[in-house]
Amino acid sequence: DSGVTQTPKHLITATGQRVTLRCSPRSGDLSVYWYQQSLDQGLQFLIQYYNGEERAKGNILERFSAQQFPDLHSELNLSSLELGDSALYFCASSEWDRGEKETQYFGPGTRLLVL
Amino acid sequence: GQNIDQPTEMTATEGAIVQINCTYQTSGFNGLFWYQQHAGEAPTFLSYNVLDGLEEKGRFSSFLSRSKGYSYLLLKELQMKDSASYLCAAGGYNKLIFGAGTRLAVHP
Repeated sequence: DSGVTQTPKHLITATGQRVTLRCSPRSGDLSVYWYQQSLDQGLQFLIQYYNGEERAKGNILERFSAQQFPDLHSELNLSSLELGDSALYFCASSEWDRGEKETQYFGPGTRLLVL
Repeated sequence: GQNIDQPTEMTATEGAIVQINCTYQTSGFNGLFWYQQHAGEAPTFLSYNVLDGLEEKGRFSSFLSRSKGYSYLLLKELQMKDSASYLCAAGGYNKLIFGAGTRLAVHP
């Protein structure tokens, strides 16, 4: 158990809908990272927040947005969902804002299925 | 550009040694991570190399050559539970770039 929690574990929804994924980082960690992992594909970095502020952006679609709240939990919002958005969404956390050289601890993921 | 290459699949026998290679190209290199991921589960941290050379941690060792853009993960005394995907990730400018992963199957 990494100490990172994600809810829900599974989500089934229809095309065109909007969903919110939630992540709570490990106690003491200030950074949260969101990743997408599609079938047979590597982890694609989406976005990073550090202490409430956006720190780095990856291949995040405009239909997707995220935020980090004062209690450091984070939410990833996915809207106008398409079939291709079906994937595992992981949240990770680290102590500081140097995700490129700090160990990131991953949550159990949310499996999203868009029908 | 940024690119991470590692073999898609490997097989090995229980008790043997296997080496998983990774080559990378990133801007602003900040070190090389290896993560283990069992199917449908979260990736878990195995090792981090920032300087050239070999880092040993029990049955797992990781090597880095910065000049060659090359790393490998060495797994000794393979066990059935080592069957998993192994993800190579390079620290680039402000983010971690993951490879597609190497799926390792360990057979009795």
